[in-house]
Amino acid sequence: ETGVTQSPTHLIKTRGQQVTLRCSSQSGHNTVSWYQQALGQGPQFIFQYYREEENGRGNFPPRFSGLQFPNYSSELNVNALELDDSALYLCASSLAKAHNEQFFGPGTRLTVL
Amino acid sequence: GIQVEQSPPDLILQEGANSTLRCNFSDSVNNLQWFHQNPWGQLINLFYIPSGTKQNGRLSATTVATERYSLLYISSSQTTDSGVYFCAVIYNTDKLIFGTGTRLQVFP
Repeated sequence: ETGVTQSPTHLIKTRGQQVTLRCSSQSGHNTVSWYQQALGQGPQFIFQYYREEENGRGNFPPRFSGLQFPNYSSELNVNALELDDSALYLCASSLAKAHNEQFFGPGTRLTVL
Repeated sequence: GIQVEQSPPDLILQEGANSTLRCNFSDSVNNLQWFHQNPWGQLINLFYIPSGTKQNGRLSATTVATERYSLLYISSSQTTDSGVYFCAVIYNTDKLIFGTGTRLQVFP
């Protein structure tokens, strides 16, 4: 059984650019959630995808968007990057969407200069 | 919205000591998880424990859902236990709401 994987591990971008982060769910999981963790804080929910459709969104602007593919892998896209977008981005996978245990990937550390 | 508070915010221990971390939440929850975040940022699942008591080696956890708190016990702490411990809850959606965290440092 493979765990949750994310790519890339680190990324440096400049303000105004666009970025795509990728996540592969744990085998058998059909739900993926994305979280942003700023330095010194706990992770904050961005959005969740279930069977390729958005299933809930946190307090993040529309320039944060996502996709889930038929194989349950997922992408997080951020447009018009701002300095405050610098953070650790974590994805988590779970089975179905009924409050099941979530398992996290190692994260992508994004730095915006 | 629901509030999730953890105490203490910081904890410094010598190797071999025991500790108790607390998580208080302000509303009924459907799910509660404990995580250990290592220095590289990886969130490691410790317990999925919406209610009751579970044990895994030197770690155990108890959630009293009716009183809205959970406790994580670490016995015979080791330097590898250092890091940040988070509790996280789900209460009316499928998003995890994380607590404020407890930063643990274990010295030899």
